[in-house]
Amino acid sequence: NAGVTQTPKFRILKIGQSMTLQCAQDMNHNYMYWYRQDPGMGLKLIYYSVGAGITDKGEVPNGYNVSRSTTEDFPLRLELAAPSQTSVYFCASSPRDRATNYGYTFGSGTRLTVV
Amino acid sequence: GESVGLHLPTLSVQGGDNSIINCAYSNSASDYFIWYKQESGKGPQFIIDIRSNMDKRQGQRVTVLLNKTVKHLSLQIAATQPGDSAVYFCAEKVGGGGNKLTFGTGTQLKVEL
Repeated sequence: NAGVTQTPKFRILKIGQSMTLQCAQDMNHNYMYWYRQDPGMGLKLIYYSVGAGITDKGEVPNGYNVSRSTTEDFPLRLELAAPSQTSVYFCASSPRDRATNYGYTFGSGTRLTVV
Repeated sequence: GESVGLHLPTLSVQGGDNSIINCAYSNSASDYFIWYKQESGKGPQFIIDIRSNMDKRQGQRVTVLLNKTVKHLSLQIAATQPGDSAVYFCAEKVGGGGNKLTFGTGTQLKVEL
């Protein structure tokens, strides 16, 4: 299994540009998440989804949008990129079943620089 | 507000020694905790978890201890190896559904030969 796949791995954006960070998982996990990680910091939750068609805001949602049309895919959209959005973005998924652990499976990250 | 924090930003140990990484949490209602390992340039990787009805849980070379009285969590790594060098995060499951986790800022573990 590939697990959680994120693309692209690196991207440089100019201020005001837009882009979509792609995330796909092949584990049939119901729950998916987007986190950002600033240098020397922990991960902050941007958005999450508990299933296709259902999304909700996390701790730092401003400047971002998400959609979840399928169980597998959870893209993150940046509109009007700002330097404050320079960060490493991680997508993750987890199973819904409480009998299993809540540990996430993370993607390898997208390093985004806004100049 | 609620938070998960780590005591030490950097921990240096000699190869072969045991490592202890600490974490404090403030939400007394938290019922599930996870430790993650993040190597440079990679996503966090699950190490071990523990539920609040347990005091201790052991894995392969790792042990997590939970002290609910003082709201403290620790990760012990036995016989630390160079491959253990990484940033370690504790995470706390928060309420509201969706299995959401709140992460601490991380501890950098450096293994010296």
